[in-house]
Amino acid sequence: GAVVSQHPSRVICKSGTSVKIECRSLDFQATTMFWYRQFPKQSLMLMATSNEGSKATYEQGVEKDKFLINHASLTLSTLTVTSAHPEDSSFYICSAREQGELEQFFGPGTRLTVL
Amino acid sequence: GQNIDQPTEMTATEGAIVQINCTYQTSGFNGLFWYQQHAGEAPTFLSYNVLDGLEEKGRFSSFLSRSKGYSYLLLKELQMKDSASYLCATMDSNYQLIWGAGTKLIIKP
Repeated sequence: GAVVSQHPSRVICKSGTSVKIECRSLDFQATTMFWYRQFPKQSLMLMATSNEGSKATYEQGVEKDKFLINHASLTLSTLTVTSAHPEDSSFYICSAREQGELEQFFGPGTRLTVL
Repeated sequence: GQNIDQPTEMTATEGAIVQINCTYQTSGFNGLFWYQQHAGEAPTFLSYNVLDGLEEKGRFSSFLSRSKGYSYLLLKELQMKDSASYLCATMDSNYQLIWGAGTKLIIKP
């Protein structure tokens, strides 16, 4: 099956710093990538959808200036959490979908801890 | 509105069978997915149903009734490694996934 990687898998940072998370599709072209956030014992919450070469579409309540998403190529999307605060600590998961396909393939997730 | 309901937690015995139900109300429907998620890991795909009926894949089967807005995931010959959360998700008219809160399945020896 298709493989999606995420880097880093775990990051700890100080409050006020910015953190970049990369999501890569390794063996297919991901025309659409999704960014999710998951708090403990809760389900996945879609943050934004990004299509290659265009601006991301953010879900209601997600600050686009705080969570910067770039999908510059068909194999790479990045999520930058700017000026991170402890309440941003969460499990961030990306998924990718090939054009014309329905299934999303998930990355392994990034555990962000903001001190 | 959009709503997906599934039990919060279920317990079953190793070697037994368990059925996890999911009911949904969504605007537009392009199929229903089941994913497995182990703690601290990303979800992995289990099944996709878009037509009514039962889809069998090894020890796992998934059923869909569109008229009833109902699906279930059936796990047979349970193994300890099946302990995980099982997420039901529907795909809406915009081809986005709407997620249930997940069912935590605990397998006991």
